[in-house]
Amino acid sequence: GQQLNQSPQSMFIQEGEDVSMNCTSSSIFNTWLWYKQDPGEGPVLLIALYKAGELTSNGRLTAQFGITRKDSFLNISASIPSDVGIYFCAGSSSGTYKYIFGTGTRLKVLA
Amino acid sequence: SAVISQKPSRDICQRGTSLTIQCQVDSQVTMMFWYRQQPGQSLTLIATANQGSEATYESGFVIDKFPISRPNLTFSTLTVSNMSPEDSSIYLCSVERTGVNSYNEQFFGPGTRLTVL
Repeated sequence: GQQLNQSPQSMFIQEGEDVSMNCTSSSIFNTWLWYKQDPGEGPVLLIALYKAGELTSNGRLTAQFGITRKDSFLNISASIPSDVGIYFCAGSSSGTYKYIFGTGTRLKVLA
Repeated sequence: SAVISQKPSRDICQRGTSLTIQCQVDSQVTMMFWYRQQPGQSLTLIATANQGSEATYESGFVIDKFPISRPNLTFSTLTVSNMSPEDSSIYLCSVERTGVNSYNEQFFGPGTRLTVL
């Protein structure tokens, strides 16, 4: 099915560094969700965005809903080893409950 | 959020057999969803299950292969029928809940890891 493009596909960073990843779509979305998935687990919702231009934080995580409504960004500040995992974006259009998921960004943090 | 449990957590099955996966939610929800996550891949929606009506399947997924039941507002099952090795995936149940901003958010269960030999 349709997927959103996430970049980068994977990242290796040092502990304490900041991380940025983004998600782009050819379609306009009204809602963006960001998830983290640990090995052997289901995705856990990190941040939800509902308005173009919205900037929302959850601890060291900050996400933004792009002005064009076709993209979203997730930043992690001062990364720690437990940030390791796969981060997925998901977008939903107006009038639908269905979410389309991004291709994922695999994050590895080196201590 | 929502507390969602799935059974089994994992299974190894022989080709040609069927497996039924259960999903239990801690409180009533209108919409439940079933996703497939193939190894190293993203999530793909299989179908949406509403209580009291037939499930709605996405393109590429059919009821004969993935029959779904939704007997009440806290429970659903997904059956993977006549399995082949290509069905080896993680199967995830999710529910929709209204978040603090009065918008709908999706929450996931822990998944069922299926390996077909």
